[in-house]
Amino acid sequence: DIQMTQSPSSLSASVGDRVTITCQASQDIVDYLNWYQQKPGKAPKLLIYDASNLQTGVPSRFSGSGSGTDFTLTISSLQPEDIATYYCQQYDNFPTFGPGTKVDIK
Amino acid sequence: VQLVQSGAEVKKPGASVKVSCQASGYSFTSFGISWVRQAPGQGLEWMGWVRPHSGKTDYAQKVQGRVTMTADTSTTTAYMELRSLRSDDTGIYYCARDTGNYYGSGSYFNDYWGQGTLVTVSS
Repeated sequence: DIQMTQSPSSLSASVGDRVTITCQASQDIVDYLNWYQQKPGKAPKLLIYDASNLQTGVPSRFSGSGSGTDFTLTISSLQPEDIATYYCQQYDNFPTFGPGTKVDIK
Repeated sequence: VQLVQSGAEVKKPGASVKVSCQASGYSFTSFGISWVRQAPGQGLEWMGWVRPHSGKTDYAQKVQGRVTMTADTSTTTAYMELRSLRSDDTGIYYCARDTGNYYGSGSYFNDYWGQGTLVTVSS
């Protein structure tokens, strides 16, 4: 099975800050990588698919990059409504999720 | 697009649970349905998927042998049955629409999710 790691596990940032979350796969997954946002008590929401494609309706401050084993989710200007846990998901063969990154406001 | 799941369940260890997921607003047979669960305070775990147009399924190794996923095209409802329940099966179970592209054959992602069903396993 492909293992996913995320860093950091949690972070605190100020409104307007640029926030970067990284996701690493245990083997080459090309660009088979999605990002989800989950707010407390809610279902996950798709943000980015295929490493860098913004899902319809998602604010443009969210962006994704990377290929192979190393991927990044960037929030260009953190907003209060971005408080959530973020998960990466690989889908090379069967899907697996990363452990999540919890984002708080400082 | 809407996915509406059945209500919360409380089960004893060793029992079975069957969660439903009624889909509307899209062509049910043109997409897959994935099931994802989340233990209390923990991350997301993919359990498996079903292709409604063929009934073909794949399951995560962790639940293989205890889980069955089905889809009824006449009612556009997907089901997930988990047997021989244990306390560590406690959590929220989500259904999610997927693209139906499996095994790296194309883009795969979960773009619409159900509201989640809490399953509690306790003696």
